[in-house]
Amino acid sequence: NAGVTQTPKFQVLKTGQSMTLQCAQDMNHEYMSWYRQDPGMGLRLIHYSVGAGITDQGEVPNGYNVSRSTTEDFPLRLLSAAPSQTSVYFCASSYYSSTGFYNSPLHFGNGTRLTVT
Amino acid sequence: RKEVEQDPGPFNVPEGATVAFNCTYSNSASQSFFWYRQDCRKEPKLLMSVYSSGNEDGRFTAQLNRASQYISLLIRDSKLSDSATYLCVVNTGGFKTIFGAGTRLFVKA
Repeated sequence: NAGVTQTPKFQVLKTGQSMTLQCAQDMNHEYMSWYRQDPGMGLRLIHYSVGAGITDQGEVPNGYNVSRSTTEDFPLRLLSAAPSQTSVYFCASSYYSSTGFYNSPLHFGNGTRLTVT
Repeated sequence: RKEVEQDPGPFNVPEGATVAFNCTYSNSASQSFFWYRQDCRKEPKLLMSVYSSGNEDGRFTAQLNRASQYISLLIRDSKLSDSATYLCVVNTGGFKTIFGAGTRLFVKA
């Protein structure tokens, strides 16, 4: 049981390049999400999904796309990288408890450190 | 005003000390509350959920005050291994979990 797996661990991009951050979980969790973490800002929600085929925007969605074709995978696409997207990105998943998603803790991947020059 | 606010610290305490962190949240409709721990350059991990009646897990005690909209975490008998950043986390009952910026703790020998 690997939990939540993110790849790559590190990435350097030039401004304007595109790339996809991969996230996979093997816990059959319905809920998956992407956060970015910047110094002094806390984790901010980019996009989330409550099941295959269902995605929605979080707090800071601009410049990012997501899709959820399977329960296991939730990739994050940077369309045209900008220096402001330099950050640490975390994927997280959770299950639906009897009282809803909000009472279930998040399980995080190890993170992807992205630098855009 | 941030939705979840924490004192960033750092808190520097000797081993064996008791230390307390507070966190305030702005949305009175918030439904669930957690403390996460994050080690340097690592992912956040759940430390404990926070229940209305307060709850304890070994050396850690969490309290919730809905009237004043704050959450606290008390760590007794601090260990060197407790050095980390502690994140206050709130969910309003929807799909968006809000994280505080974290409080840094350093425990010294």
